[in-house]
Amino acid sequence: ILNVEQSPQSLHVQEGDSTNFTCSFPSSNFYALHWYRWETAKSPEALFVMTLNGDEKKKGRISATLNTKEGYSYLYIKGSQPEDSATYLCAFIPPRGSTLGRLYFGRGTQLTVWP
Amino acid sequence: ETGVTQSPTHLIKTRGQQVTLRCSSQSGHNTVSWYQQALGQGPQFIFQYYREEENGRGNFPPRFSGLQFPNYSSELNVNALELDDSALYLCASILLDAHGYGYTFGSGTRLTVV
Repeated sequence: ILNVEQSPQSLHVQEGDSTNFTCSFPSSNFYALHWYRWETAKSPEALFVMTLNGDEKKKGRISATLNTKEGYSYLYIKGSQPEDSATYLCAFIPPRGSTLGRLYFGRGTQLTVWP
Repeated sequence: ETGVTQSPTHLIKTRGQQVTLRCSSQSGHNTVSWYQQALGQGPQFIFQYYREEENGRGNFPPRFSGLQFPNYSSELNVNALELDDSALYLCASILLDAHGYGYTFGSGTRLTVV
């Protein structure tokens, strides 16, 4: 069983605050890591696909880093806005040999941004 | 056609009944997978279909079964429903390209078993 852990479980911040969350995964066995943003009653929306150790990706005010040697990824949101309120999920893909492309999800970090 | 559509969005079933959930496919994607998200958990892999054949399965009993059609749409069938089957069921169509695996998720079907 592959364990993917996310912390914190929930986070409440004020508009304008910057925030970050952590995703940890097995470091010995890596193919890719996905980050998703998921608003209630909508589809999970892909934010980043990360594949290389040291990857840093950015999309507007949101960025992510990847450390495959130690098995963690950080997601950062700069200057949080109320519309950033959502659950942020990370999902790990081990190398081929298991079901190709199977995602192992963490439980998510639920972010609430207060105006 | 863009996006993945799941139907129905919500349904309520009685323990012991059978249910069929449906999922369209993103154009050009020939792989679909299904996930179950129980309350307080992350989504858990049920199974995956590639070109109408099951090519991977998670830790779910045989009463969970699926189909993929020639147009790559898909169904998830659950027989002999149990209370613990109450969950959100997500499907995703998948494209493997030079950037890796691209997932397009539907918004899910909320199943309540009473």
